[in-house]
This record gives sequence, structure tokens and C-alpha cells, in this order.
Amino acid sequence: DIQMTQSPSSLSASVGDRVTITCRASQSISSYLSWYQQKPGKAPNLLVYTASSLQGGVPSRFSGSGSGTDFTLTISSLQPEDFATYYCQQSYSTPYTFGLGTKLEIK
Amino acid sequence: QVQVVQSGTEVRKPGASVKVSCKASGFTFTNYAIHWVRQAPGQRLEWMGWINAGTGDTKYSQKFRGRVTITRDTSAITAYMELSSLRSEDTAVYYCARGSGYDLHFDYWGQGTLVTVSS
Repeated sequence: DIQMTQSPSSLSASVGDRVTITCRASQSISSYLSWYQQKPGKAPNLLVYTASSLQGGVPSRFSGSGSGTDFTLTISSLQPEDFATYYCQQSYSTPYTFGLGTKLEIK
Repeated sequence: QVQVVQSGTEVRKPGASVKVSCKASGFTFTNYAIHWVRQAPGQRLEWMGWINAGTGDTKYSQKFRGRVTITRDTSAITAYMELSSLRSEDTAVYYCARGSGYDLHFDYWGQGTLVTVSS
């Protein structure tokens, strides 16, 4: 199985900050990488797919980059509604696997 | 608008089975895949399998093979996930999600179904 490692596991930041979350795959996954945001008690919400494609309706302050084994999700200017947990996920090969998550908290 | 709506909370005893439904609307069901993902309390998301809603072809995680069955009813525009031989570790929120594009990213998710396994 492909292991997905996210860092950091948690992050404290302020409104207006620029934040970067990284995700590393245990083997190359080309660009088969998605990012999701999850708030407590809610289903995950797709932000980015194929590493850098922004899902419709997602604010442009979110962006994704990378290919192969190393990927990043960047939030250019944090807004109050962005405090949540973020997961990366590979769909290169089954079983599709997720990272452990990065919990973004208000400083 | 695109929606996937799941069935409600379930409580089962160890050894029993549970079947969760996922009703689609707002898109052509047979043009997409439906994934099933679960999340145990405080744990990461875990992919269980998917079904091609058009052909009925399925792919399962090895972890659940033999215990999980994913089916669909095109006339009811609904996908189903049945998990058998339940144990306490299967207590989790189960999600269905539409799979889109060549990479089958999960673009629309159901609201989740809590399955509790307890004697």
C-alpha cells in the first residue's frame, strides 16, 4: 500500500497568514493527489484534485502543487472559516490512501 | 444540484451485518463511480472500495475483502455498502462519495452514516 505522510500534524496560525501543508507519498503517484478539508462532524470537502486543479467553488486562496512523491497545499491568506483538518489522498493505486491529517488551529 | 444522501444511523451487535445506502441525484448516476470510505473515532479516513455505477464492476481494499460488498441499483439511483461479521473496531462513520475524472477524485460526499457495533 502507498503510505501518505503529512506534515505538520497540527499548526497554529492567525487570520491573514500564509500556510503550507506538505504531503509525501511512499512511492511516485504522478499527479494522482487530492486535498480535502474536514470540519468537525462534517464530511470531507474536496479542495484540489490532480495535485493542482482547484475544485469548482473553492476560493482561489487555496492552491496545490507537486508531482511524483512531494506535494503541497497552500492557503495564501487564512480566513476564519479555514480552521479545520486537511487531508491528502492518493488515487494512483488501490487501496486509495489518506494522510493522517493536519489540524489547523487559530493562534 | 449534485447530491448523495445516505441512510441513517445503525446499531448492530458483533457478528451481525449492516447495509448502508447512498442515493444520488442531480447527475447521471451511471457515468460515475461511487466510493465508500470510513472514519473511526479520531482516526484517518480509510477507503473501503468503489463501484462503477455503469458497469457494476467493483474494487475492494484487501483489508475488507470477504466482508464488504458494494452494489448498486440503477433504477433506484442508489449504491449500497454491506459489511458483514461486524466487530467493535468497525464502529465508525461510513461515507459514500462520487468518484470523478480519470483520477476518480471524491468530489461529492454523503453526509455520513454512523454505525455502532456494541454488544
